[in-house]
Amino acid sequence: DAGVIQSPRHEVTEMGQEVTLRCKPISGHDYLFWYRQTMMRGLELLIYFNNNVPIDDSGMPEDRFSAKMPNASFSTLKIQPSEPRDSAVYFCASRPSGTVQETQYFGPGTRLLVL
Amino acid sequence: AQSVTQPDIHITVSEGASLELRCNYSYGATPYLFWYVQSPGQGLQLLLKYFSGDTLVQGIKGFEAEFKRSQSSFNLRKPSVHWSDAAEYFCAVGLQGGKLIFGQGTELSVKP
Repeated sequence: DAGVIQSPRHEVTEMGQEVTLRCKPISGHDYLFWYRQTMMRGLELLIYFNNNVPIDDSGMPEDRFSAKMPNASFSTLKIQPSEPRDSAVYFCASRPSGTVQETQYFGPGTRLLVL
Repeated sequence: AQSVTQPDIHITVSEGASLELRCNYSYGATPYLFWYVQSPGQGLQLLLKYFSGDTLVQGIKGFEAEFKRSQSSFNLRKPSVHWSDAAEYFCAVGLQGGKLIFGQGTELSVKP
């Protein structure tokens, strides 16, 4: 199994540009999560999907952030326009259906730097 | 509100010494608790989890954790630390619906 795949691994962009982060979950997993990690705020859940449907987006910081899951094998997190304070590591995770004790499997992350 | 507290931001131990990382949680119902490890530049990997039964849980890489309801704690332990254990460790509580709430993390350094 290839695990959760994220691309790009690193992204450097200028303020005001659109940024799109991509995630391929583990095949057969019904849940997909997007997290953001910063020194100041630690690991924060941004949004999660179940069967491609957004369930909870209360962690999305503002309207500049949007996430989609058009099918079971692909999700995107978009920031438009980007700002320097969006600089962080963004993780995608997936897990199978079942109870909450199911393990979430994390991707390697995308390190975003907004200049 | 649900929360997880890891009181120690950074811990340094000597190789071969024992290790205990602290985790306290706040959650109204029966907690589902997890410990993850993050090596530099990597994603998070599950070390162990607790959801019921025996309060002493064994995990990978020789780690164990003990759930103590009376203290709202889920401390991670290892009897003998190896240099390769240097990493950041995160405690998390799982909520209904599948969300995880993470603590701030504890960075572990290992002295030779």
